[in-house]
Amino acid sequence: EVQLVESGGGLVQPGGSLRLSCAASGFTFSSYEMNWVRQAPGKGLEWVSYISSSGSTIYYADSVKGRFTISRDNAKNSLYLQMNSLRAEDTAVYYCARVSFSGSYYDYWGQGTLVTVSS
Amino acid sequence: SYELTQPPSVSVSPGQTARITCSGDALPKQYAYWYQQKPGQAPVLVIYKDSERPSGIPERFSGSSSGTTVTLTISGVQAEDEADYYCQSADSSGTYRKWVFGGGTKLTVL
Repeated sequence: EVQLVESGGGLVQPGGSLRLSCAASGFTFSSYEMNWVRQAPGKGLEWVSYISSSGSTIYYADSVKGRFTISRDNAKNSLYLQMNSLRAEDTAVYYCARVSFSGSYYDYWGQGTLVTVSS
Repeated sequence: SYELTQPPSVSVSPGQTARITCSGDALPKQYAYWYQQKPGQAPVLVIYKDSERPSGIPERFSGSSSGTTVTLTISGVQAEDEADYYCQSADSSGTYRKWVFGGGTKLTVL
């Protein structure tokens, strides 16, 4: 069974940093592209970042470029999101999501981890 | 910039047909995908590549495409279908790639 389990969320002050993790199981993690997607409270879904299966290709949304860093450790079946210079508008539930082999869509999502940026 | 536009809300009575639209200039060239999200839960894929239905998704869910608009149709709506629905596509122009979501549509079953 495919499982994606996020962790690392919490309360952080503006300007602070946080590192999210996503533990993958039930599939060959190293074969799949992965993304982070977030959802602010009461708002819609927003794509955050993409990483290729090998980690060699990375993309970011303009809203997080220069502040967030996506990475992965295929030996540990884990995906990460390092978030620096956090702002109030980064407050959201952060989901890791697996990109399907057959197209640019997500076939599995984690349950999400809440990041709250507030003083 | 690449945008997808959805109506904020759609309301139908049980047993009726719900249609949720998603408009975007790039949709004639890119596939669209649909997700269902219930409160407190992660999104679930209900339609991929405009009209394909993943295994385990009820047959009452279908998708179609015409020009710059894609449509999610739920036939014979049930109370359990009340949820937020998001369309999604991808912008793969040049050397950059990004995923784009519509603003979401809240489906209310009256």
